[in-house]
Amino acid sequence: AQSVAQPEDQVNVAEGNPLTVKCTYSVSGNPYLFWYVQYPNRGLQFLLKYITGDNLVKGSYGFEAEFNKSQTSFHLKKPSALVSDSALYFCAVRRGSGGGNKLTFGTGTQLKVEL
Amino acid sequence: GAVVSQHPSWVICKSGTSVKIECRSLDFQATTMFWYRQFPKQSLMLMATSNEGSKATYEQGVEKDKFLINHASLTLSTLTVTSAHPEDSSFYICSASSPRTGSTEAFFGQGTRLTVV
Repeated sequence: AQSVAQPEDQVNVAEGNPLTVKCTYSVSGNPYLFWYVQYPNRGLQFLLKYITGDNLVKGSYGFEAEFNKSQTSFHLKKPSALVSDSALYFCAVRRGSGGGNKLTFGTGTQLKVEL
Repeated sequence: GAVVSQHPSWVICKSGTSVKIECRSLDFQATTMFWYRQFPKQSLMLMATSNEGSKATYEQGVEKDKFLINHASLTLSTLTVTSAHPEDSSFYICSASSPRTGSTEAFFGQGTRLTVV
């Protein structure tokens, strides 16, 4: 079985400050890891993914995430938060190559960026 | 990136009626589509996996006769909520993927807000 934990329901950050949204995962074999963002009453937008290679992956809108195998983590980061980054963020995992396409999502973290 | 279109964006229906939601992949062929349900301020709950040309695979606890899924072509999957009741009110989201595109991520529709009155 695979699972994702997002330990924080909400993260508050001042605009211009760095932000981190935490994610840990559990999956058999090599993981494929993803971050998605959801705005109110909208579907999910893809931000970035880790499949293989460099542990630090860069994605859309200045976001990046670091894959840490020993800690089974994939935290989302951004050096300087914007008010427009306020949204609901989901971390997701699935088994790697040959593991099928079924994604398991975390419970989501509401990011609030204030002036 | 690939585009998935979901229709309608919102629908209000009377209790006891059926509602059909469409999910289309616009610029790629989707061999697999997924249907999720999302309650307010909660995560996405996978309802079923829809494979083109075969029966959908439902997750445990999801009523097959209640939530009918059809994936008749490589670009269209439909979810029909039959005999809808107020407890079926929710946000339904589809996603699509296709190994043929070489992409490993899933692409999501805009979601459908269903309200049963």
